[in-house]
Amino acid sequence: DQQVKQNSPSLSVQEGRISILNCDYTNSMFDYFLWYKKYPAEGPTFLISISSIKDKNEDGRFTVFLNKSAKHLSLHIVPSQPGDSAVYFCAASPNNAGNMLTFGGGTRLMVKP
Amino acid sequence: DAGITQSPRHKVTETGTPVTLRCHQTENHRYMYWYRQDPGHGLRLIHYSYGVKDTDKGEVSDGYSVSRSKTEDFLLTLESATSSQTSVYFCAISESSGSNEQFFGPGTRLTVL
Repeated sequence: DQQVKQNSPSLSVQEGRISILNCDYTNSMFDYFLWYKKYPAEGPTFLISISSIKDKNEDGRFTVFLNKSAKHLSLHIVPSQPGDSAVYFCAASPNNAGNMLTFGGGTRLMVKP
Repeated sequence: DAGITQSPRHKVTETGTPVTLRCHQTENHRYMYWYRQDPGHGLRLIHYSYGVKDTDKGEVSDGYSVSRSKTEDFLLTLESATSSQTSVYFCAISESSGSNEQFFGPGTRLTVL
């Protein structure tokens, strides 16, 4: 059973609007969460992360929110740009397994001009 | 970008043949990982290494073996390839400093006929 789930396989947003990508997890041992972005024919690249001691982390147009009680995190992109069109993976790491990551299935974001 | 290369980038092989994929890094990072990416499954960990000659199994290790004889190289071997091993394979590296961030290579697309 998947411990990290991204229930929306795709999302389409108009340029300039907000994109919200969601991720749910089941393992209460996860205490560090990351978002990766992947373009076709390339490896994933790190985007933003958040520790379980925080509920929000912001980096430019990207903000990640963490709701520990709901075991839910989300990535907000404001404003969305056509270059943001990619597949986004959330990943989680438990507090006793060093650098091990468990990934969600990914959400394909399409930003229309 | 982190110095990670993978070879070959594309390979087509037949069922039952052995296949070795290579990951090479120039960052001197301690940890190295092999993932496979399949539609709907995100990235799943096959094997990882926490040092030279130190390796361990991941989530989907059956049918795969690894070796790490030098810090910079991590080899993934399919002893007898099967069609279910058709996938895109990614290598990743990370430091041992406690950072959970992993840096990914460009990937190898493997097709087993």
